[in-house]
Amino acid sequence: SQQGEEDPQALSIQEGENATMNCSYKTSINNLQWYRQNSGRGLVHLILIRSNEREKHSGRLRVTLDTSKKSSSLLITASRAADTASYFCATAQSGNTPLVFGKGTRLSVIA
Amino acid sequence: DARVTQTPRHKVTEMGQEVTMRCQPILGHNTVFWYRQTMMQGLELLAYFRNRAPLDDSGMPKDRFSAEMPDATLATLKIQPSEPRDSAVYFCASGLPGPNTGELFFGEGSRLTVL
Repeated sequence: SQQGEEDPQALSIQEGENATMNCSYKTSINNLQWYRQNSGRGLVHLILIRSNEREKHSGRLRVTLDTSKKSSSLLITASRAADTASYFCATAQSGNTPLVFGKGTRLSVIA
Repeated sequence: DARVTQTPRHKVTEMGQEVTMRCQPILGHNTVFWYRQTMMQGLELLAYFRNRAPLDDSGMPKDRFSAEMPDATLATLKIQPSEPRDSAVYFCASGLPGPNTGELFFGEGSRLTVL
């Protein structure tokens, strides 16, 4: 069963615009991670944010975490056509459990 | 360049046939996961291992699926007999010690089509 649910399911933007994807989850977590998947490829880790962190940056990526609302957001600034992919959030619950993935947001960046 | 290697990349088979998918995790990673991805269900955890021991395979249909790690460099997922509903992309992923402390490294997947 999915722990994280991404919103929106699909997003289409123009190159240069910012893209924001949201993730909501149900139970307490140890950390939350975002992954990217290009069509026909495996998932690639983007960023990890721990439950005691509120914001994290990596290049053009900015991730926020609000544990009181059980939600996270991924912001991609100045998007490029090469950012076109599906983006997944994954949560690791406190304790000895593996990552549980949401169904993803399909991002299309139009040149 | 360390990577998780999966074979085969594509497999088309007929219902009732045995299918074996193989995974070579990244050297030094002691936690290995099998996930299945479909449009309807997204990514589902099938099984995972730590130090080659199975920790959880509750996501697998036990009557037809089996997962093993014969050694630290090989993980296998077998389906016998295969059914059309098994058609999906199967991903292997490996990670560093502790299943929920760090990132996972995914292979490119094995796309299975059961006719």
